[in-house]
Amino acid sequence: QQQVKQSPQSLIVQKGGISIINCAYENTAFDYFPWYQQFPGKGPALLIAIRPDVSEKKEGRFTISFNKSAKQFSLHIMDSQPGDSATYFCAASSNNNDMRFGAGTRLTVKP
Amino acid sequence: DVKVTQSSRYLVKRTGEKVFLECVQDMDHENMFWYRQDPGLGLRLIYFSYDVKMKEKGDIPEGYSVSREKKERFSLILESASTNQTSMYLCASSLVLNQPQHFGDGTRLSIL
Repeated sequence: QQQVKQSPQSLIVQKGGISIINCAYENTAFDYFPWYQQFPGKGPALLIAIRPDVSEKKEGRFTISFNKSAKQFSLHIMDSQPGDSATYFCAASSNNNDMRFGAGTRLTVKP
Repeated sequence: DVKVTQSSRYLVKRTGEKVFLECVQDMDHENMFWYRQDPGLGLRLIYFSYDVKMKEKGDIPEGYSVSREKKERFSLILESASTNQTSMYLCASSLVLNQPQHFGDGTRLSIL
């Protein structure tokens, strides 16, 4: 059962554009929502994370938007760069639940 | 910085062999995890451990077992490897369940 649904599966963006990846979750007990970035040949690395007491968190060019009532959250990458080309995973967890990952989005930023 | 080290980057084994994948973390984390990563399916949890000698099944434990004899080391065992276990295997650790997981760089396992 997929508790976290992620879209799109792949995304192509021009350099300087905005990349948007969306995730939806089912379990209302989830209270920690991280995004991971994975480059080829490497393991996923934490990029940015949010807890549901805020609706938005920004770190540099990366922003998480969180909608608790809709059970959705998204990653926005502003001014996308070729170096941002990677696979991105959203995830969700709680104190009593192991982390659930989305299926991943392969982002390609064209120069 | 947390370091999670997986013993092999690439491994080729034969059907029916018993396969051991090793993972070591250096940050005294309580929790350790084994995931399988397949295209379009994301990361699927095989097993996790919240303490030495303790383990919990994840979503896809069939055909796998685990061992955690020391806090820093978590082993994944394929009892009798089959071709459908060809995949990328990722190990991770975290201090508590609801905090970031730190991943190793993975073992790409091929079963022939």
